[in-house]
Amino acid sequence: DQQVKQNSPSLSVQEGRISILNCDYTNSMFDYFLWYKKYPAEGPTFLISISSIKDKNEDGRFTVFLNKSAKHLSLHIVPSQPGDSAVYFCAATDTGGFKTIFGAGTRLFVKA
Amino acid sequence: GAGVSQSPSNKVTEKGKDVELRCDPISGHTALYWYRQSLGQGLEFLIYFQGNSAPDKSGLPSDRFSAERTGGSVSTLTIQRTQQEDSAVYLCASSLGRVGPRSHGYTFGSGTRLTVV
Repeated sequence: DQQVKQNSPSLSVQEGRISILNCDYTNSMFDYFLWYKKYPAEGPTFLISISSIKDKNEDGRFTVFLNKSAKHLSLHIVPSQPGDSAVYFCAATDTGGFKTIFGAGTRLFVKA
Repeated sequence: GAGVSQSPSNKVTEKGKDVELRCDPISGHTALYWYRQSLGQGLEFLIYFQGNSAPDKSGLPSDRFSAERTGGSVSTLTIQRTQQEDSAVYLCASSLGRVGPRSHGYTFGSGTRLTVV
């Protein structure tokens, strides 16, 4: 039972264009949503988060949008850079728990 | 230390043998988590330690898996009688307390790649 789903295993984008990574969830008790970035042979690193009471959070080139009615969130990267090439994990935590539930990840390729 | 340290970085073991994976969290971080990532899969929660509270073991896949955290710092994940399906990257993470990680995420180590042959 996957509570956090990333249906696109990979995405390829041209340098300078926008990258949009999507994530769907099923648990309405999730109160924070997070994005992590992972390079090969390294652990994931925290990128950006959004509270369930907001619909947008922006940090530099990265913006996360949350649509609670659709149980959907997305990460926008603009402009995309070759160094953004990595696996991006969508994740969520619920109000009562301490563990984070992760999606399967989307591999982003940014072509120069 | 400056980051979360895991050892060994790679481990190849024969089926049926026991293995121990070590995690040294960031100094002062009271919460410690173990996850694993199997090939082509997302991160699967295994176990969570918070201070002196009883650990949340709800993610351990079988009784062959156990973990302990001594002195509120270093943690060891033990897998007994390893099976081929145990092959994965085992990731440890730590965080300050219980509120921070929900909005500021965890700090992960680089992981231990376990291969059972």
